[in-house]
Amino acid sequence: DADVTQTPRNRITKTGKRIMLECSQTKGHDRMYWYRQDPGLGLRLIYYSFDVKDINKGEISDGYSVSRQAQAKFSLSLESAIPNQTALYFCATSMAGQSYNEQFFGPGTRLTVL
Amino acid sequence: AQKVTQAQTEISVVEKEDVTLDCVYETRDTTYYLFWYKQPPSGELVFLIRRNSFDEQNEISGRYSWNFQKSTSSFNFTITASQVVDSAVYFCALTNDYKLSFGAGTTVTVRA
Repeated sequence: DADVTQTPRNRITKTGKRIMLECSQTKGHDRMYWYRQDPGLGLRLIYYSFDVKDINKGEISDGYSVSRQAQAKFSLSLESAIPNQTALYFCATSMAGQSYNEQFFGPGTRLTVL
Repeated sequence: AQKVTQAQTEISVVEKEDVTLDCVYETRDTTYYLFWYKQPPSGELVFLIRRNSFDEQNEISGRYSWNFQKSTSSFNFTITASQVVDSAVYFCALTNDYKLSFGAGTTVTVRA
């Protein structure tokens, strides 16, 4: 079984709808991250969490919110989706206290907002 | 602030040619780590290599090799004798304590 899973894998929705993307991990890592990937821009950090009580904004958090329900679960919400949020979204995890911060990525969720 | 630049947007080669992907980075940290990831057409991110700022030895893994030059802030990646299966987007990334900063990626297309 995959260590980092994301659901759904693909989603098409309409402008104005609320969408939740979910991430679960079995690696036992404390740190979790949400990124979005756009063509020609690489991956950009949306939010990150160092533990259940810790949530931090990344470089592009506007229009998004997150919830860390448990050590193993980190959800990303789009309260009112808009077309420019169409992207590939990745969840990642890493171990606390590890200087090289190796991150392990989920398979990605492809979101299309019409 | 840290930044990763992959100036090559797309590279197209014929099978068996060598291809070199450039990566230039900026950071004020003295300790940092550099990564390369591969993203095949299926979309997942595949970890290729990690290198710390104190280890400037070049590394070879099969047909892949990496050249890290701290003096020029570069961490270039070469695929020798390319194959069609090497067709993918390749990302260079830099990390400090918590954040991975990615370059924009280079799309490599290997034609049979």
